[in-house]
Amino acid sequence: DARVTQTPRHKVTEMGQEVTMRCQPILGHNTVFWYRQTMMQGLELLAYFRNRAPLDDSGMPKDRFSAEMPDATLATLKIQPSEPRDSAVYFCASGPTSGTETQYFGPGTRLLVL
Amino acid sequence: GENVEQHPSTLSVQEGDSAVIKCTYSDSASNYFPWYKQELGKRPQLIIDIRSNVGEKKDQRIAVTLNKTAKHFSLHITETQPEDSAVYFCAASRSGGYNKLIFGAGTRLAVHP
Repeated sequence: DARVTQTPRHKVTEMGQEVTMRCQPILGHNTVFWYRQTMMQGLELLAYFRNRAPLDDSGMPKDRFSAEMPDATLATLKIQPSEPRDSAVYFCASGPTSGTETQYFGPGTRLLVL
Repeated sequence: GENVEQHPSTLSVQEGDSAVIKCTYSDSASNYFPWYKQELGKRPQLIIDIRSNVGEKKDQRIAVTLNKTAKHFSLHITETQPEDSAVYFCAASRSGGYNKLIFGAGTRLAVHP
């Protein structure tokens, strides 16, 4: 049963530090999404990629956030410098090439910035 | 812009009762409507989806209905069980090219024994 994987699962850091979150999409999926979920909030789309190219990153604060896909098996989301308001769960999701818009979510990275 | 409204935000039912969650979307070009269930501390998981060429779809105790004219769709859970307690998200998207999902704000369902 193929699944999206994310590392780390938990991260505690101090304000000002760089945070890197990684995602491995399901093999063969060419669309990758990054979401942020805060307590009592819904799913906020930060950015997404198709065939490793960014399609939309309008939801991402660009002064401190950056998202990349170095290769088809790895997507990264970086925050530099991190701030306490960035504390949230960050989910990665991937979707297949065509024929369906279904997205499959990873387990998330729970980030706490002190 | 694109928007999906979801109601109610919280829902409390007794075990065995039915639960209904409703969503309305703004983009008339939307044609794919999934529902996700998120248990506490877990990832959102797809439980059922429907496309615009279908008016209703069932999977055991869950069903989704779609009214394209009114631009709304609903999730129905029958014979609810405590393990159905979770946050449920609806979403909508277009197909072809851009498959960005627009999510509703979520419904917190509590099923009491």
